[in-house]
Amino acid sequence: GAVVSQHPSWVICKSGTSVKIECRSLDFQATTMFWYRQFPKQSLMLMATSNEGSKATYEQGVEKDKFLINHASLTLSTLTVTSAHPEDSSFYICSAESGEQETQYFGPGTRLLVL
Amino acid sequence: DAKTTQPTSMDCAEGRAANLPCNHSTISGNEYVYWYRQIHSQGPQYIIHGLKNNETNEMASLIITEDRKSSTLILPHATLRDTAVYYCIEGWAGGTSYGKLTFGQGTILTVHP
Repeated sequence: GAVVSQHPSWVICKSGTSVKIECRSLDFQATTMFWYRQFPKQSLMLMATSNEGSKATYEQGVEKDKFLINHASLTLSTLTVTSAHPEDSSFYICSAESGEQETQYFGPGTRLLVL
Repeated sequence: DAKTTQPTSMDCAEGRAANLPCNHSTISGNEYVYWYRQIHSQGPQYIIHGLKNNETNEMASLIITEDRKSSTLILPHATLRDTAVYYCIEGWAGGTSYGKLTFGQGTILTVHP
């Protein structure tokens, strides 16, 4: 199957700093990528849809100025959590859509802990 | 909100078939049924998807009822490593992206020795 990577796999930062998470599709091109967030014992919640070369589409309740998304190429999307606070601590997961295989493939996730 | 309903949890003995049901009574004609699983602290893993016909791959089989209102994921010989949360999701497929996936709570499958 298709492979999606995320970097870093985990990050600890101080409150008020910004954190960038990368999502890469390694063996296919993805016009569209998605960013999800998962809190403990909860399901995945879609945060935003990232389209290559255009602005991301955010889900209701997700602050676009806080969660900056850039999809500069067909294999890379980045999520930047700006001015992170402890309540932003979560498991962030990206996925990349393979049009050829008609499905999304997920990255391994990035665990963020804001102190 | 997720549009599918699944049992909260299921148990299965190692080596036996695990049959995971899913109801998707409001699925539209263009929507596929996707199955993913998530092992603790990992990203979801794609298992299988289908539209109308039954599907099989190296991981599992997907049986979709004729009216498409429900489906069953079959893991033919469950192993301890199949213990995970299994998600059944309605979604679009192919072409331009409508590929938003809405995750419900899924079914916690526990495979016992």
